[in-house]
Amino acid sequence: DAKTTQPPSMDCAEGRAANLPCNHSTISGNEYVYWYRQIHSQGPQYIIHGLKNNETNEMASLIITEDRKSSTLILPHATLRDTAVYYCIVRVAQYSSGSARQLTFGSGTQLTVLP
Amino acid sequence: DSGVTQTPKHLITATGQRVTLRCSPRSGDLSVYWYQQSLDQGLQFLIQYYNGEERAKGNILERFSAQQFPDLHSELNLSSLELGDSALYFCASSYSGGRTDTQYFGPGTRLTVL
Repeated sequence: DAKTTQPPSMDCAEGRAANLPCNHSTISGNEYVYWYRQIHSQGPQYIIHGLKNNETNEMASLIITEDRKSSTLILPHATLRDTAVYYCIVRVAQYSSGSARQLTFGSGTQLTVLP
Repeated sequence: DSGVTQTPKHLITATGQRVTLRCSPRSGDLSVYWYQQSLDQGLQFLIQYYNGEERAKGNILERFSAQQFPDLHSELNLSSLELGDSALYFCASSYSGGRTDTQYFGPGTRLTVL
């Protein structure tokens, strides 16, 4: 799986959009970008994933650049409860059911939403 | 709520002891994963089971073992505990079919070894 680079920390004002960047310059064509977050000592929470098109769900939007070498997770209206460590993970597509599929977590970005 | 349950939430024990952590995956998920998170190591993958069979091993110590039962729940056994085993232990599950297989995590078990 490709390596990712994220800033160690970011601040965002409550109610504003939080834009979390991730670089994955060695990503290959069959690798997906996943985002998880971990609110203090809780289990990591899945947010969103994508291959090459922009994706949106009820939690966030994922913008992947055309060359796929970087992406941005957007929380449109950050709240205090969004304060967490955000992990960007690149994973190869699964081609056979039940294959080895562990997640490799880096250091992530500590997002602090300020009142 | 991810649908993955873990018991117990907290466990306090002494060095040299043995403990068992339990995980129930989401309904329909066939794979179970165990991860360890200690203060200085971050989230580390330990082991994966798929439909009762071991699929992948990470940095799991020989003192640790796991299994997945026919009803798909899993147990992580930690023996000869040391102070350094104090950590959060997370279980995750996924369906493991299709090109993407999102893992959903449980709330974790906090193990304290005194």
